[in-house]
Amino acid sequence: EVQLVESGGGLVQPGRSLRLSCTTSGFTLGDYGMSWSRQAPGKGLEWVGSFTIRGTTEYAASVKGRFTISTDDSKSIAYLQMNSLKTEDTAVYYCYRWESGSSYGNHWGQGTLVTVSS
Amino acid sequence: DIQMAQSPSTLSASVGDRVTITCRASQSISSWLAWYQQKPGRAPKLLIYKASSLESGVPSRFSGSGSGTEFTLTISSLQPDDFATYYCQQYHIYSTFGQGTKLEIK
Repeated sequence: EVQLVESGGGLVQPGRSLRLSCTTSGFTLGDYGMSWSRQAPGKGLEWVGSFTIRGTTEYAASVKGRFTISTDDSKSIAYLQMNSLKTEDTAVYYCYRWESGSSYGNHWGQGTLVTVSS
Repeated sequence: DIQMAQSPSTLSASVGDRVTITCRASQSISSWLAWYQQKPGRAPKLLIYKASSLESGVPSRFSGSGSGTEFTLTISSLQPDDFATYYCQQYHIYSTFGQGTKLEIK
């Protein structure tokens, strides 16, 4: 069974850093692309970025230069490193697995809440 | 960046109604479009991929159509479990979600 579990969320001050983890099971992480999306309280979904099958990364303009996505295939974990956090980064962060080589997701984690506040 | 304009933002309907949600892309995305259903406090659930392919296990009352820049999600006969928020997502160049459509009980 495919499972994705996010962790690492919490309360952080503006300007600080946080690293989220997406622990996967039931498939070989290195065979799939992975994406992160977020949802601010009461708002819609926003794509954050992707780690592609080729090992390259793509980011939304709102996070480019501040966020970094990586994977550790040996641990089956995808990471979202978030630096220089802003109050507008407050959201539930979801990871999801690509399907059929494309960046839509049929398998999502349950989400982890990040609150950026002083 | 590709922008996705989803409409309406809110839709009131009754059980048994046929409803349609529209998503327009700012440039052609061929058929690289997915539709999701999301309920409060839950992760999105994939309904449709590649514009019109029904995900396994999703009821056949859900259908998707379109290509290029205009797409629709249709629910042929609303069931009580269908009242939720729906999102489109393009995955042609990077990815973008629509703003969402909240489907409410009339």
